[in-house]
This record gives sequence, C-alpha cells and structure tokens, in this order.
Amino acid sequence: LAKTTQPISMDSYEGQEVNITCSHNNIATNDYITWYQQFPSQGPRFIIQGYKTKVTNEVASLFIPADRKSSTLSLPRVSLSDTAVYYCLVGDQGGKLIFGQGTELSVKP
Amino acid sequence: SAVISQKPSRDICQRGTSLTIQCQVDSQVTMMFWYRQQPGQSLTLIATANQGSEATYESGFVIDKFPISRPNLTFSTLTVSNMSPEDSSIYLCSVEKAGDGMNTEAFFGQGTRLTVV
Repeated sequence: LAKTTQPISMDSYEGQEVNITCSHNNIATNDYITWYQQFPSQGPRFIIQGYKTKVTNEVASLFIPADRKSSTLSLPRVSLSDTAVYYCLVGDQGGKLIFGQGTELSVKP
Repeated sequence: SAVISQKPSRDICQRGTSLTIQCQVDSQVTMMFWYRQQPGQSLTLIATANQGSEATYESGFVIDKFPISRPNLTFSTLTVSNMSPEDSSIYLCSVEKAGDGMNTEAFFGQGTRLTVV
C-alpha cells in the first residue's frame, strides 16, 4: 500500500478556498485516491475519490496530475464547520485502508 | 451506503478485565474492519474480519489480545482482553461498499470510547 504524506495542520478563514496536497510517490496502477473527513468523536466520513485528472462533487474537488504521485483536495469557501482532520488514502477499491497522519484544518472566523 | 451501529458507545473498565464491542451493519458485507484511534492520533487498522474464517491481524496486533468474531455477514465483535491503561482508545468498526457513482466508500461506526482505569 502506498504511503501518503500530508501537512500536519493548516489554518484558514471563513470564505476562503482551501487546498490540501497529499504526496503518494509509490502509488500503484490499481490504486485509487480517496479523502476522508473526521470530526471529533466521530468516525471518518468519505469526501471524494478519484483515479486521475479532476473529480468534483457537491462538497469538494480533487485534482490529480498525470503522474498521479500527488493529489490536491480543494474545499471551496470553507466555513467554521469544515474544521476537521482530513485524511488522504491510496489503495485498491474495496481493500483495507491504511490511514496516514492526516491534516488538521482549522477554520477561523 | 451502509449504516453501522456500535455498542457500547463508551465504557470505563478496570484493568485486567475484558470488553467486547459489537458492530452491526444494516446490510451484508464481505469484510469488516476494526480500527483503533488513540487520543490525538490517526486510525490504526487492527484486523480484517471475514465471515467464516479467522480474522487477519495487522503487525503489532494478536488474536489473544484482540479476539474477533464474525458469525454472519452483518455482525462482528472485537474483544479487548486483559486490559491495561494503554488500551484506552477509541475503537471503530468499518465496512466498504459502493457509494454514489463509481466510488467505493468506507463507512464507519461512531466508535467505542474505552477508558481503562
């Protein structure tokens, strides 16, 4: 399973766009890139998943360059409720998930 | 999607005792996963539980300490045996299922917050 590297923490203000980049240099051909969000005292929650190029859903966008060795989660116009830990995971669909350290995002008023 | 219920949600236990955590899923799944999340840390995978076979444990976790049962496709238990304060943690159950579109998503229970005194 490919190891991921993310910033430990990030600060932002309400209304800003937040981009969190994850490095996964050893990503395998069959691996997908998935991001999860975790609030205190809750289990992680799926945000977005992609294989290549760009994926967008109602809450975020995921940008994946052609070499797939990194990915960027983009959160448009964050609010205080987006304060959470964000995890980048790389692996086969349906296989076990290995969590890295995650990025603790703090959104300030 | 999947809805996962974990019991108990929290417990305070005496050292040397054991606690069994239950995980119930609202649909049949092949694999169920058990994680531990120590205070301020990320999630660590303990084991993968398949119905009808012995669980597969990750490095650092052994069956004698964390026995797992998987009697059917919607239920699993994790026991934390002979507890010590170092076992104080949140224990989470997870399954993976197809989500919207082409995604495969992991769904997590709310977790069991264990404090060993």
